Amino acid sequence: AQSVTQLGSHVSVSEGALVLLRCNYSSSVPPYLFWYVQYPNQGLQLLLKYTSAATLVKGINGFEAEFKKSETSFHLTKPSAHMSDAAEYFCAVSEANSGYSTLTFGKGTMLLVSP
Amino acid sequence: DAGVTQSPTHLIKTRGQQVTLRCSPKSGHDTVSWYQQALGQGPQFIFQYYEEEERQRGNFPDRFSGHQFPNYSSELNVNALLLGDSALYLCASSPEWSGGTDTQYFGPGTRLTVL
Repeated sequence: AQSVTQLGSHVSVSEGALVLLRCNYSSSVPPYLFWYVQYPNQGLQLLLKYTSAATLVKGINGFEAEFKKSETSFHLTKPSAHMSDAAEYFCAVSEANSGYSTLTFGKGTMLLVSP
Repeated sequence: DAGVTQSPTHLIKTRGQQVTLRCSPKSGHDTVSWYQQALGQGPQFIFQYYEEEERQRGNFPDRFSGHQFPNYSSELNVNALLLGDSALYLCASSPEWSGGTDTQYFGPGTRLTVL
């Protein structure tokens, strides 16, 4: 079975600083990878996804992630944090089977942004 | 375009009771998945419905059951509630399968509290 590990349950940055959220995956086949964001008391919103078209994926709100097969990683970055980025971020891998796919999520990383 | 909607928003039940949660998928989507998100954890896959049939199931007991209607809306039923069933229940819809790259769109969730 595929799995996802997110290093760091909490990450704190100052406004304007670089955001780096780490995600490593385990998969026996080429994976499809996703980053979702969850604001308090809300559902999950897709930030970006890797579908093997390009290793550097750009998403919404200035986020991007790079797929590195040799490191089995898909880290999420943003050059300059905004207060509005404070939320919980989830990395997920798609388990594609014959005709259907489901998501396996990591435990999440809470991003805290201080002024 | 209405996104994924869920009802109710919050629910309080006591141990041993039964609960039904409802989900309406995004327009044009025919596949509905349900996830359980315990406090401080990532979402865990419960099951997926397509064409009114359960297509895939996660590691959840038979107390968890579901249904999909001809209009693609779905219900999640949980019998004999336990304290450990307290969680945010998320519904996600997706379009026709595209090899695992299809995006799942999440609703805002139903917060279930079991006392």
